[in-house]
Amino acid sequence: QIQLVQSGPELKKPGESVKISCKASGYTFTDYAMHWVKQAPGKGLKWMGWINTYTGKPTYADDFKGRFVFSLEASASTANLQISNLKNEDTATYFCARGATTDYWGQGVMVTVSS
Amino acid sequence: DVVMTQTPVSLSLAIGQPASISCKSSQSLVHSDGKTYLSWILQRPGQSPKRLIYLVSKLDSGVPDRFSGSGSETEFTLKISRVEAEDLGVYYCWQATHFPLTFGSGTKLEIK
Repeated sequence: QIQLVQSGPELKKPGESVKISCKASGYTFTDYAMHWVKQAPGKGLKWMGWINTYTGKPTYADDFKGRFVFSLEASASTANLQISNLKNEDTATYFCARGATTDYWGQGVMVTVSS
Repeated sequence: DVVMTQTPVSLSLAIGQPASISCKSSQSLVHSDGKTYLSWILQRPGQSPKRLIYLVSKLDSGVPDRFSGSGSETEFTLKISRVEAEDLGVYYCWQATHFPLTFGSGTKLEIK
């Protein structure tokens, strides 16, 4: 069956970096884009952007340009999200989701940024 | 950016009652390919979101037929014919017609 399995929770200090992964299984990885969505504690969902899993080209929403990088390990059917120079406001759960209509979602990764 | 306005913010319903959630977009969601990329997702407490409906009215596999979606252009509705206990959570509409993709602010469904 189709699954998106994300890496575990992270606790980081401001200024540090974090890399979280989203491993896909049950389908051909390069057939569907991967989208990333942020959910701050107690808040709604915010689209961060997507990566073309065939070409590797990322597209970022305006609020996520600069410190955020989407990448792939296509041979491992894995999409990654790296956040550098972490800030307190990056504390959130980050979801990966398959395709523009997001038919499958990962379980989410809680990233906590605290000094 | 396309603004997605959802109402009501919350619903408190008894099991068996109908539910209706409205979602209005600030621009038409009809894509140049003729499709309308409006989806409804449910986030149960402590869980990741799950898609229920896509392309306005198409139910995902395994979604009970008490759920239905309708609408066009800028106005969309999610209906639950008879609420059940497992339906509690936050419902979001979201659009993938225009970049950036945008979500509604959510409607919290509570069971009385």
